[in-house]
Amino acid sequence: AQSVTQLDSQVPVFEEAPVELRCNYSSSVSVYLFWYVQYPNQGLQLLLKYLSGSTLVESINGFEAEFNKSQTSFHLRKPSVHISDTAEYFCAVTHGSGNTGKLIFGQGTTLQVKP
Amino acid sequence: NAGVTQTPKFQVLKTGQSMTLQCAQDMNHNSMYWYRQDPGMGLRLIYYSASEGTTDKGEVPNGYNVSRLNKREFSLRLESAAPSQTSVYFCATTQGFTDTQYFGPGTRLTVL
Repeated sequence: AQSVTQLDSQVPVFEEAPVELRCNYSSSVSVYLFWYVQYPNQGLQLLLKYLSGSTLVESINGFEAEFNKSQTSFHLRKPSVHISDTAEYFCAVTHGSGNTGKLIFGQGTTLQVKP
Repeated sequence: NAGVTQTPKFQVLKTGQSMTLQCAQDMNHNSMYWYRQDPGMGLRLIYYSASEGTTDKGEVPNGYNVSRLNKREFSLRLESAAPSQTSVYFCATTQGFTDTQYFGPGTRLTVL
């Protein structure tokens, strides 16, 4: 069975500092990995995803994540955060063989950016 | 082009009452999903529909039923609400399993 663990429930950080949100997964088959972001009182939006190819994927707003198969991780990073990055971030996984798009989500990490 | 819409936005029920949460998408996607979000537990899949006319159980289906009315609409019904069903419910849709899932704004349900 697949599972996703987000190692930090809350990450407080000052504006313009770097941040890393950690995500580990377990799966016996090949996986596709996603990071979603949820701003207060909204639904989730896709931030970035890894399907295949380059293990480093980037979003349009400066976040990046690296797929590490040996460590079964997909950590999210940003070199300099803004107040507007304050949100809850979810790591999710699905596998690639015969599935119907079902996502398994981690517990979520709340990023609190302080001025 | 509204994307994914959900009604109602908020609802308060008494234990034992029933209600239906509505979801509609105008993205012409095949697959639709119902999740519940609880603090510290992320999102958990309740039911999904891979295509019009099919539905399947997810991780936490007990106490819920669904109907895929047509390609656009996917409803979630609570027959006899319980306090454990207090949660935020999200509907989502996607075209394929490697594609983005698009989420609605959510329904915040409280069962007293």
